[in-house]
Amino acid sequence: GAGVSQSPSNKVTEKGKDVELRCDPISGHTALYWYRQSLGQGLEFLIYFQGNSAPDKSGLPSDRFSAERTGGSVSTLTIQRTQQEDSAVYLCASSLGRGWNTEAFFGQGTRLTVV
Amino acid sequence: AQSVTQLDSQVPVFEEAPVELRCNYSSSVSVYLFWYVQYPNQGLQLLLKYLSGSTLVKGINGFEAEFNKSQTSFHLRKPSVHISDTAEYFCAVSTSYGKLTFGQGTILTVHP
Repeated sequence: GAGVSQSPSNKVTEKGKDVELRCDPISGHTALYWYRQSLGQGLEFLIYFQGNSAPDKSGLPSDRFSAERTGGSVSTLTIQRTQQEDSAVYLCASSLGRGWNTEAFFGQGTRLTVV
Repeated sequence: AQSVTQLDSQVPVFEEAPVELRCNYSSSVSVYLFWYVQYPNQGLQLLLKYLSGSTLVKGINGFEAEFNKSQTSFHLRKPSVHISDTAEYFCAVSTSYGKLTFGQGTILTVHP
């Protein structure tokens, strides 16, 4: 596609509910990232997929968070039993891969509000 | 592991004045360096990047940055800012492994 696409753009959910956030990377990009951006916290790394390698999950804040990437393309970030502190903008980015090709292209983000 | 420190969380400046946003990094291996800009209520956009070669790199909107290996810095500069440059700026580093690590961001506010 023309760019990284994220859906939904906004999501309001009740505390305790599960949510799924979707990311469609740029076609041909082997690397995919999820970041979280909340007030005063900057860009917090969540998870990194690179081709067929095992994902780097070191940034996931708790076991309520998980992500998968099917067929090396679309990725879904799932947050179970949402809490108010999960409210943030979730950003997805993709890149061509390693080294010289690590310029990341970002989607517009999903703004999650937990009430 | 890599880390990025942006030394100023907020930088206020008057229109047409010069500005420098500071970024230092730490890494045990060779790195690639990036500056991204985020305008209000928008996603992140690449401003410029250093991969290799000349240590002075030029980006969009009149910004430039200089890679200083001995000081492990990659400061962003613009000789004359505009109101439209008001945004948050993020410095980032990656390695051949590919994972991008970002600094905490610097909010640049340009006053008339």
